[in-house]
Amino acid sequence: QKEVEQNSGPLSVPEGAIASLNCTYSDRGSQSFFWYRQYSGKSPELIMFIYSNGDKEDGRFTAQLNKASQYVSLLIRDSQPSDSATYLCAVTNGNEKLTFGTGTRLTIIP
Amino acid sequence: DAGVIQSPRHEVTEMGQEVTLRCKPISGHDYLFWYRQTMMRGLELLIYFNNNVPIDDSGMPEDRFSAKMPNASFSTLKIQPSEPRDSAVYFCASSWVVLGAYTEAFFGQGTRLTVV
Repeated sequence: QKEVEQNSGPLSVPEGAIASLNCTYSDRGSQSFFWYRQYSGKSPELIMFIYSNGDKEDGRFTAQLNKASQYVSLLIRDSQPSDSATYLCAVTNGNEKLTFGTGTRLTIIP
Repeated sequence: DAGVIQSPRHEVTEMGQEVTLRCKPISGHDYLFWYRQTMMRGLELLIYFNNNVPIDDSGMPEDRFSAKMPNASFSTLKIQPSEPRDSAVYFCASSWVVLGAYTEAFFGQGTRLTVV
């Protein structure tokens, strides 16, 4: 079992709709959770992080964490073509080891 | 700060040659990570350092790979001898912990390695 798992996609969402990206992790000791966005040919960049159970909102983005079920999700409201990218879920354990999932490729259809 | 700086941006080498990738982290960051990214395996953590000390190298694929961090502003990843299956994009990232909380990792632009 991989430490961090994501559906590779591609996930196609119409412009203006909500895109929902999911991630599960295997280490119950994981403490911090991150969503990175990576455009083709570019390096990953942080969108959001979440430490506590529940929802965290930042603009059009909402991160959701459920430690009991070991999943974290990212919702993107009012999806724009510029949101088309690969979204990487990452988690850290107590030793700050940052482990990534393989990413979900998201395409926003105009 | 100029961000995490990696060199070279592109490297093409012949199988069996030694390859050295370089990274300059963001000043003040005390964690440095080396990742390898391929289509098949995604972003894999190879090794990471804390205050220049290697903490976890369990991701280093084999003895052909080695990494060093002689000081807080410089790290290298060396592959000797290189093989075609080492072809990938290698990222360096740095980060720091503030008040016990882990903060984001900033990535360099990556080195695209092609071994022919």
